[in-house]
Amino acid sequence: AAGVIQSPRHLIKEKRETATLKCYPIPRHDTVYWYQQGPGQDPQFLISFYEKMQSDKGSIPDRFSAQQFSDYHSELNMSSLELGDSALYFCASSERTEEQYFGPGTRLTVT
Amino acid sequence: KQEVTQIPAALSVPEGENLVLNCSFTDSAIYNLQWFRQDPGKGLTSLLLIQSSQREQTSGRLNASLDKSSGRSTLYIAASQPGDSATYLCAVRRGYGQNFVFGPGTRLSVLP
Repeated sequence: AAGVIQSPRHLIKEKRETATLKCYPIPRHDTVYWYQQGPGQDPQFLISFYEKMQSDKGSIPDRFSAQQFSDYHSELNMSSLELGDSALYFCASSERTEEQYFGPGTRLTVT
Repeated sequence: KQEVTQIPAALSVPEGENLVLNCSFTDSAIYNLQWFRQDPGKGLTSLLLIQSSQREQTSGRLNASLDKSSGRSTLYIAASQPGDSATYLCAVRRGYGQNFVFGPGTRLSVLP
């Protein structure tokens, strides 16, 4: 069965650079969620989209932005990267009210 | 604000034991609750989803219960195996179509 795809899987950036993470949800899933998991931390919700509109917003820094495109894939754009942004970034997808399925994550390292 | 806690933080058991992982949440007005497994440095694997109207869900050796009024869920693992070693996270969904709030997880080690 198709799963959530995230790219890239690993990314190394320097401070103050920008990064773009991509998420391809499971076909027919209409909702995408982004989470950030720091080392030894539990996942923290960043932002979600339902039918290409932002549906909920969590602890997403102003330096980050995201959108969902017409094909339902989503991109998380991160600017002015800081060392503290180093984390595992997960994307999850679901049909509106159902179980969330998580992608394998993108490991971002900021040096 | 919903807060989720999990007890114990870590657990080490010999192979074959039955065990219970606990999850508590402060706001009982949840939509559903989901248990996940996470291997080190890896993604989250969904184990069981319990809707707010349900009391329990079972999948193989796993059984999850939900007592919404007391703000508690338990994950029961029968006949544990070394392959069960991982971190188990519970997460509650605040409402229709909304995100999950995660607990800190229980790190389980099953010793052969």
